[in-house]
Amino acid sequence: AQTVTQSQPEMSVQEAETVTLSCTYDTSESDYYLFWYKQPPSRQMILVIRQEAYKQQNATENRFSVNFQKAAKSFSLKISDSQLGDAAMYFCAYRSARSFPDDKIIFGKGTRLHILP
Amino acid sequence: DSGVTQTPKHLITATGQRVTLRCSPRSGDLSVYWYQQSLDQGLQFLIQYYNGEERAKGNILERFSAQQFPDLHSELNLSSLELGDSALYFCASSYRGASNQPQHFGDGTRLSIL
Repeated sequence: AQTVTQSQPEMSVQEAETVTLSCTYDTSESDYYLFWYKQPPSRQMILVIRQEAYKQQNATENRFSVNFQKAAKSFSLKISDSQLGDAAMYFCAYRSARSFPDDKIIFGKGTRLHILP
Repeated sequence: DSGVTQTPKHLITATGQRVTLRCSPRSGDLSVYWYQQSLDQGLQFLIQYYNGEERAKGNILERFSAQQFPDLHSELNLSSLELGDSALYFCASSYRGASNQPQHFGDGTRLSIL
């Protein structure tokens, strides 16, 4: 079974600085998708960034980028120029690339990110 | 706005009771997924429906059941409620349930058991 581990329950970063959230996963599959979701205090689940395992190039979305290390099964999220609105719980997540039915998302337990003004 | 609608937003009830949570997927989405987010367990997959049929089951208790109706909305039924069932229940939808289609999450239903 696949697992997702986020070893940092909480982190803090100064506004405008850069922070990196760690994530490791375990799978025997070679084809899959990895995600970072943001959950602000409003409790919505917002997709931040997505990475296809077959792509070597790291995904980027504006101030958000990932460092995907397939051999190490590592998928970290870097947030540049941190803003107060980035304060949230961040979940790393895994999804098999096999066709359904088995395409549920497996989530890590989350990292709560605090932005210090 | 994700386009996924969950009702009610909040639900407060007592142990032993039964509740129904409702989810309307995004227009055109055929797959519906239910997830439970509790404080000590993170987000856990419960069950998936595709075009009215159950497709995958996760850590769903026997006291819980779900269905997807012909108009594609889904309901999650929780019975004989226990204190430990207090959680945020999310519904997500995607077009064909294929892994390259993103799942869009609703705002969740917060269930509190007193």
